[in-house]
Amino acid sequence: EVHLVESGGGLVQPGDSLRLSCAASGFSLSGVWMSWVRQAPGKGLEWVATIKDDGTEKYYVDSVKGRFTISRDNVENSLYLQMNRLTAEDTAVYYCARNPRSPIYWGQGTLVTVSS
Amino acid sequence: DIVMTQSPLSLPGTLGQPASISCRPTQSLTHNDGNTYLNWFQQRPGQSPRRLIYEVSKRDSGVPDRFSGSGSGTDFTLKISRVEAEDVGVYYCMQGTHWPYTFGQGTKLEIK
Repeated sequence: EVHLVESGGGLVQPGDSLRLSCAASGFSLSGVWMSWVRQAPGKGLEWVATIKDDGTEKYYVDSVKGRFTISRDNVENSLYLQMNRLTAEDTAVYYCARNPRSPIYWGQGTLVTVSS
Repeated sequence: DIVMTQSPLSLPGTLGQPASISCRPTQSLTHNDGNTYLNWFQQRPGQSPRRLIYEVSKRDSGVPDRFSGSGSGTDFTLKISRVEAEDVGVYYCMQGTHWPYTFGQGTKLEIK
């Protein structure tokens, strides 16, 4: 059975950094594109970043370009999101999702709160 | 970026009656590979999104057949043939053709 489990969220101050992880089980990350999607409290869904199966291509939404970095470790079967220079607008539940074009598998999400 | 416009944003459903949600992207969603990556998701309160429909009209395993998707070009629709109480939640369309992938604003289905 496929499982995606996010971790690493928490309460941070504006300007801080945070690294999210997504542990995959039930399948191999190798050969699978992956993404991070976020949802601000009470709001809709927003794509954040996508990474190709071999890590050679990465795509970001404009609002996080230069601040967030998506990466993966296919040996550890894990996906990561390094988030720097966080602002209040980054407050959201962050989900990892498999097969970004048409994601059927999602994690349960990890909450990131940016507040002073 | 492609804007996905959903309507209505609030949908008072009646048990046993049909309901439908419209999704209109600002440009065609046909990919170079010939597929149209238009998906529909259901999100129940406190839960992660659940995919219902992919590639316009393909229903996921375990999704009741009262859910159906249709459309082409810049006009897509999710239909529920008979609304049930468990259908309460927010429904999103999403395009996976052009980066950045984008979602509609969401349509909140409640039972009236």
